[in-house]
Amino acid sequence: AQSVTQPDIHITVSEGASLELRCNYSYGATPYLFWYVQSPGQGLQLLLKYFSGDTLVQGIKGFEAEFKRSQSSFNLRKPSVHWSDAAEYFCAVYGQNFVFGPGTRLSVLP
Amino acid sequence: DGGITQSPKYLFRKEGQNVTLSCEQNLNHDAMYWYRQDPGQGLRLIYYSQIVNDFQKGDIAEGYSVSREKKESFPLTVTSAQKNPTAFYLCASSIGGNSYERYFGPGTRLTVT
Repeated sequence: AQSVTQPDIHITVSEGASLELRCNYSYGATPYLFWYVQSPGQGLQLLLKYFSGDTLVQGIKGFEAEFKRSQSSFNLRKPSVHWSDAAEYFCAVYGQNFVFGPGTRLSVLP
Repeated sequence: DGGITQSPKYLFRKEGQNVTLSCEQNLNHDAMYWYRQDPGQGLRLIYYSQIVNDFQKGDIAEGYSVSREKKESFPLTVTSAQKNPTAFYLCASSIGGNSYERYFGPGTRLTVT
């Protein structure tokens, strides 16, 4: 069965610092991969997705993610975090089913 | 602008009452989904529908019911049989089947006392 993990429950970074949120999956083939962001009390917004091709994917709000087949990972990155990036981030995977990870809460220090 | 609307934003009910959450989309998407979100548990799939007049149970369907009479609408009823109904409920849609990304509504927070 497929699964997706986000090892970090909560991350705190300073404004202007770089960010990397980890996502690992378990699946026998290359899945479709997604990152979503959720502000408090709101729905989820799609940041980016990977289906095939270039393993470095650009998304909205200055985010990017890199698919690494050898590590079964799809980590989300941003070179300089803004206070408005504070939110919950979900990785999602489609292999046999569409599965969401447990989420990583990002706090941003001024 | 196309999107998904959920109403109301906040809903309060007494224990033992059924309550229906609304979800409407004007994206012309075929598939619609209901998720439940609890703190620290991520999103769990309640029901989904890939075409009108057809729907399937998700991982936590017990105590819930749905209908899909129109492509645009996918209401969720939380029945009195749901043991712990207080949660944040998210409706989503996708262009096609299960492999496509979900687009989410703003959610409804249901509190049952």
